[in-house]
Amino acid sequence: DAKTTQPNSMESNEEEPVHLPCNHSTISGTDYIHWYRQLPSQGPEYVIHGLTSNVNNRMASLAIAEDRKSSTLILHRATLRDAAVYYCILRDGGAGNMLTFGGGTRLMVKP
Amino acid sequence: ETGVTQTPRHLVMGMTNKKSLKCEQHLGHNAMYWYKQSAKKPLELMFVYSLEERVENNSVPSRFSPECPNSSHLFLHLHTLQPEDSALYLCASSHLMGDPYEKLFFGSGTQLSVL
Repeated sequence: DAKTTQPNSMESNEEEPVHLPCNHSTISGTDYIHWYRQLPSQGPEYVIHGLTSNVNNRMASLAIAEDRKSSTLILHRATLRDAAVYYCILRDGGAGNMLTFGGGTRLMVKP
Repeated sequence: ETGVTQTPRHLVMGMTNKKSLKCEQHLGHNAMYWYKQSAKKPLELMFVYSLEERVENNSVPSRFSPECPNSSHLFLHLHTLQPEDSALYLCASSHLMGDPYEKLFFGSGTQLSVL
């Protein structure tokens, strides 16, 4: 399975944008890029996913590099509630592929 | 509220006890999953059920026994556990299994301590 590399931790100030990077240099053409986050004492929750084009939803934006070897999750205005571990995950387009988590990035938001 | 409910939220058990974790989803999903999250380790997939049939078992010790009586309910039966089995056990569901764009919906987990 193609792997992802994320920084262990990042800090942000409240109400400022946050850019969470993810490297996936061995990504294949059929891999989807997914982001989940895990708030303290909760299970992970889906944030966003994409294949080739940039994606926006109410939670965040996903910017995918043209060569697809990296992507960035963008939180437009960080709040204290956004403090969580953010996971960047690749899911193969082949049937039966499961969601496999890595270590993620722990985002700390300062007031 | 994700639509996936796990009970109990916390469980303390001795190594000789038998207990069960319960997961319920009212999302109309057809696939359900058990994950284990140990301290300072990534989530590990344990079991996958699709349409009530087990389709994946990732080399999990037999002291963990899953059961999926219908598409809305998933159990994890525990017996003769070890202290190293102490972890957060997470249940998840999705509409279909394995599609690369499917979202998983997770419960809040059961924090298990084995004494």
